[in-house]
Amino acid sequence: QKEVEQNSGPLSVPEGAIASLNCTYSDRGSQSFFWYRQYSGKSPELIMFIYSNGDKEDGRFTAQLNKASQYVSLLIRDSQPSDSATYLCAVKEAGTALIFGKGTTLSVSS
Amino acid sequence: GAGVSQSPSNKVTEKGKDVELRCDPISGHTALYWYRQSLGQGLEFLIYFQGNSAPDKSGLPSDRFSAERTGGSVSTLTIQRTQQEDSAVYLCASSLFWGEMNTEAFFGQGTRLTVV
Repeated sequence: QKEVEQNSGPLSVPEGAIASLNCTYSDRGSQSFFWYRQYSGKSPELIMFIYSNGDKEDGRFTAQLNKASQYVSLLIRDSQPSDSATYLCAVKEAGTALIFGKGTTLSVSS
Repeated sequence: GAGVSQSPSNKVTEKGKDVELRCDPISGHTALYWYRQSLGQGLEFLIYFQGNSAPDKSGLPSDRFSAERTGGSVSTLTIQRTQQEDSAVYLCASSLFWGEMNTEAFFGQGTRLTVV
């Protein structure tokens, strides 16, 4: 049974701080890693994807992947109240389904 | 259309009735996923279609649930003899598949199913 684990939170950070969201996965064959954001009552939307070990930056967001440790994280710099949402980690192996963690709720206070 | 389209947006049904939920993926996307999300919960995987390969049905919670994908495009999720615990938002997503990798999955707006 493939598992993707996330701390449910809530993670509370003040505006302007760095938010760090973490995710571990059980399947060593996983090849693709995704971070989605879901606002209450809305569908998930993609923030970033990462395939290779190391860091990938996109604006205020940085995804970090460590396949040896089966760990992927998302850093949000200069957090804004509009970043308050649930962040979903998703993991995929070629030819298999995209499996999601239960999500971490982030609250950014102004 | 430009995005993943699901219908209906909302469905209220009586316990014991059958329901059909429809998903129209992004044109050209060969992969299609169905998920269920209960209130305040994460995304529960139901079924995955990839091109002409046999679908991965490992997430279907019971034999009351089935899904098909016709012509590699539109998919229908059918729930027979609905129960109150089936009440949830049913989300469909699609993605491209090239080489051995899937690109990111794009979600529809979901169907909110309420069984009364």
